[in-house]
Amino acid sequence: SQTIHQWPATLVQPVGSPLSLECTVEGTSNPNLYWYRQAAGRGLQLLFYSVGIGQISSEVPQNLSASRPQDRQFILSSKKLLLSDSGFYLCAWRGGRYNEQFFGPGTRLTVL
Amino acid sequence: QKEVEQNSGPLSVPEGAIASLNCTYSDRGSQSFFWYRQYSGKSPELIMFIYSNGDKEDGRFTAQLNKASQYVSLLIRDSQPSDSATYLCAVNMEGGYNKLIFGAGTRLAVHP
Repeated sequence: SQTIHQWPATLVQPVGSPLSLECTVEGTSNPNLYWYRQAAGRGLQLLFYSVGIGQISSEVPQNLSASRPQDRQFILSSKKLLLSDSGFYLCAWRGGRYNEQFFGPGTRLTVL
Repeated sequence: QKEVEQNSGPLSVPEGAIASLNCTYSDRGSQSFFWYRQYSGKSPELIMFIYSNGDKEDGRFTAQLNKASQYVSLLIRDSQPSDSATYLCAVNMEGGYNKLIFGAGTRLAVHP
């Protein structure tokens, strides 16, 4: 069966510090992968998606970037965090016949 | 801009009642529709998806889709306190890469 991992689970970072969040998927090959952010009390905002190694599409302009160095690894980064980057970051993979997306456990980021 | 709208709630129902959650979407080309349940502090969990007009039942859950009215709903029969969560509606965008647009969610509270 497929599983998706994210780490760290929680993170508190000062403004201006760098960020690296990691997502890995097991049990599937060449998955479509997605990064979402959920601000407090809000819906999910799609940040990036990837259909393969080295292929990244950005949905919104921001100071975040994403990379996919391996088939089952998706990384979200920032060189300098802003207060507005606080939120719940979720990685998802697409599986199933009807394009269902399945989420990892998420990383809760607080920027102070 | 393509949108998915949900009433934020809270929707409060007594235990054993039917909870009715509604969602409207703007993209007429959308083909797949999903309901996720999100407990506080946790990541979203897929509970239902539907792609054809009409009803789809799975246990206590029934998803209803009306593409002409661009409307999708989720009914929860015999509501239990454990159903208390935020329910997110998601719509598959027409086009490639299987991107989903999420509503902001409806908070459901089932009281004993």
